[in-house]
Formats: sequence, structure tokens, C-alpha cells
Amino acid sequence: DAMVIQNPRYQVTQFGKPVTLSCSQTLNHNVMYWYQQKSSQAPKLLFHYYDKDFNNEADTPDNFQSRRPNTSFCFLDIRSPGLGDAAMYLCATSRELQGHTEAFFGQGTRLTVV
Amino acid sequence: DQQVKQNSPSLSVQEGRISILNCDYTNSMFDYFLWYKKYPAEGPTFLISISSIKDKNEDGRFTVFLNKSAKHLSLHIVPSQPGDSAVYFCAASAGRNSGNTPLVFGKGTRLSVIA
Repeated sequence: DAMVIQNPRYQVTQFGKPVTLSCSQTLNHNVMYWYQQKSSQAPKLLFHYYDKDFNNEADTPDNFQSRRPNTSFCFLDIRSPGLGDAAMYLCATSRELQGHTEAFFGQGTRLTVV
Repeated sequence: DQQVKQNSPSLSVQEGRISILNCDYTNSMFDYFLWYKKYPAEGPTFLISISSIKDKNEDGRFTVFLNKSAKHLSLHIVPSQPGDSAVYFCAASAGRNSGNTPLVFGKGTRLSVIA
């Protein structure tokens, strides 16, 4: 059974049109992460939530926002997608902050911007 | 600057032979290292990890070696099987005593095991 579920698997959006990607988890983990992965690149952390505490990476563009209304769900909002935002977006969870705990990933959402 | 480097984008190995995937890191605060495996159209899945207090961790066909002085780790797969064909990501983090940082990933190495 999938433990970290991302919807949709594929998303096509228009340049400049707001888009929301969703992630849900059945693991009851404290921490949820959003990573961006472009082709042949390392997954890059955008931000994470520890419970309700939001932590933004310093180089994450303002165009990217996140919401975590409850333990199970986390959303990635891209306010005005540009062509450069086309990528695979990976959601992950971990029981505690990634010190010595593994992270569990969803299948990802591939975003195309046209 | 990349803190975790996987300098080989791809590797081909004959079935039954050993696969060795390499990873280097620059941040001396990293004290926990993980390998993830990723099939196409799926998210990365955890494979094996090692703490900096060890220099070797073994799980079945998979062994990770850590050389702290060289800031280098490697994943050995013996024997390699066609089902091992995937992209392997090296990742590192700093634990509670070192700032508790989230995972930092390398770019990945695509392993092809040829039957």
C-alpha cells in the first residue's frame, strides 16, 4: 500500500497560471518535505514542515509556497509557473527531522509548463 | 557548490558481477549517509544507510563503505542482477549534534545490469 501519495502524477499548466500539487501520507510522520528534481540533477529541497512549523530553504524562490492543513496533507503552490519550473516534484516524509532517519518518498508529480 | 557528488552519471555491469557506485562529500558535518534507488516513474526508495561511527554496513547483497578521512562512500552490489538497474542516489545529512540538516542528494548514477 502506498504510504506517500502524490496527485496528480502528471500536471500540465500554462505559463503564469497558478498550480497546486498535493501530497498525502498514511505514516503519521512529523515531517513533510518538497523536493524539486530537474533532469539529471540532484533532488533539491524547497522547504519542509516539522509538524506545523514551516522551514523555507534560503534559495527557494518566492514563487513557491506550501501549506500543511493537517498531519496527513501537504500542498505545493506555484503562484506563477515559468518554463524553468518544469520538473519532477517529490514529496517525502520522515518521522523526525532528517538527522538519522530515512525519508519516504512519493512517486512524484511531473510538471510541464506550456 | 555541490556538497554531495556522484561523478559517474552511468555505470554498466554484467549480471553476476560486482557493481560499485561511488559518492564524495564535502561537508565535514555530515554524519549520516544513505543510498536511495529510483526506478523510472517512481519516487526514490531507501536502500541502505551508514552512520559516521561505522565504516561498513551490510544488508544482503548491498554493502556501503564509508571512508571519513577521504569523505568518500561507496555502494557495492554483489552479485548484480538485472532488477538492480535503476538510478542510485547518494544522500547525506547532519544529525542532532550537528544541526539536524535535511538530506542533501547527489545527482545520481544510472546503473545498467546487463544479462
